[in-house]
Amino acid sequence: DGGITQSPKYLFRKEGQNVTLSCEQNLNHDAMYWYRQDPGQGLRLIYYSQIVNDFQKGDIAEGYSVSREKKESFPLTVTSAQKNPTAFYLCASGYGSYEQYFGPGTRLTVT
Amino acid sequence: QKEVEQDPGPLSVPEGAIVSLNCTYSNSAFQYFMWYRQYSRKGPELLMYTYSSGNKEDGRFTAQVDKSSKYISLFIRDSQPSDSATYLCAMSAAGGSQGNLIFGKGTKLSVKP
Repeated sequence: DGGITQSPKYLFRKEGQNVTLSCEQNLNHDAMYWYRQDPGQGLRLIYYSQIVNDFQKGDIAEGYSVSREKKESFPLTVTSAQKNPTAFYLCASGYGSYEQYFGPGTRLTVT
Repeated sequence: QKEVEQDPGPLSVPEGAIVSLNCTYSNSAFQYFMWYRQYSRKGPELLMYTYSSGNKEDGRFTAQVDKSSKYISLFIRDSQPSDSATYLCAMSAAGGSQGNLIFGKGTKLSVKP
């Protein structure tokens, strides 16, 4: 089955801990994206990557980091520097034709 | 003025009704327009993708783009309870940060049996 997988579905962490969210795709897409979704805020772009070993900051990159060592994988680390990390995190991928396909999301709760 | 405006609703309609969902935008460089459907606690699902102006139909769904008015619409015919979801519009300009989409905040739709 082709698609985008994100794990875990739910994640709980204590304040001050870094946490890494997984995103894998087998659609052979070049581009991958991370978004954050909060109630009433819509989708906000955190980081994106057009090719392996290259990535760019989005609108709200502070407190987050990413890597793109393989075409299929684009993990997101939420660091302790992120002031308000509790949110629904969505990974997406696309060919660069402006269509983006989303994974099922990871709901992160930090207490 | 925000780049993309979308009425958050909620919008409640009876089963079988025609639903009209809309977004307005301010950036005349936008040329790629998308509609996503998002069920509660799930990732958005791409429904329709339109380039430039015009109409596109797929089953019960029709997407319209009016670039002169900077206005896009999604029509759902014969609406079903399974259409109850949040609908997000998204758009992108050619060139620049390729593939970066600007999203509306979503309209929550409820179709009552």
